[in-house]
Amino acid sequence: GAGVSQSPSNKVTEKGKDVELRCDPISGHTALYWYRQSLGQGLEFLIYFQGNSAPDKSGLPSDRFSAERTGGSVSTLTIQRTQQEDSAVYLCASSIGLAGGQETQYFGPGTRLLVL
Amino acid sequence: GDSVTQMEGPVTLSEEAFLTINCTYTATGYPSLFWYVQYPGEGLQLLLKATKADDKGSNKGFEATYRKETTSFHLEKGSVQVSDSAVYFCALSPNNNDMRFGAGTRLTVKP
Repeated sequence: GAGVSQSPSNKVTEKGKDVELRCDPISGHTALYWYRQSLGQGLEFLIYFQGNSAPDKSGLPSDRFSAERTGGSVSTLTIQRTQQEDSAVYLCASSIGLAGGQETQYFGPGTRLLVL
Repeated sequence: GDSVTQMEGPVTLSEEAFLTINCTYTATGYPSLFWYVQYPGEGLQLLLKATKADDKGSNKGFEATYRKETTSFHLEKGSVQVSDSAVYFCALSPNNNDMRFGAGTRLTVKP
């Protein structure tokens, strides 16, 4: 497709389980971002990938959160030992990735995670 | 660090009313400023942006002017429609690809 896609669209898991969320960015976009949107809250930056550079992990809330981007395209956000406070919508976005930044980001539909 | 603060909602207006959603920012450099919109059941999408001081972004009747002197980027529309009901997010991007979003303002427009 032409846009950013994410899977699954919804995920229900039990506390303590690990989950993996997937993001397929727009073809040709070298920059990829993960955000978290909790109920009634704004968007919280989690992690940013740019090409082959080391990712900016400054937004990850704990060491239970990690993300990979294979081959400069698809990304997987992993949450280990999930907690109820991890329940949120996880949004992925991509952008062209030009030097200097400040670009428009294109968002996927999100994965709604519920930890019971 | 760099951040944005936007008007708390929810905001409820009648159709054809004038809309202002306030947004102010804190930044050490010269960020680009954005308004994103999230319609019910849809993902975030860019509404408008401005990349330097005094620039005006506009789209779908919405406008926002990058005011460096007041560090503001208020969103305005002269006559809102029911279809404008959504959550609006102010955001800034410093001199890299990091994007900082406000908490969002929910707008409901009643016929």
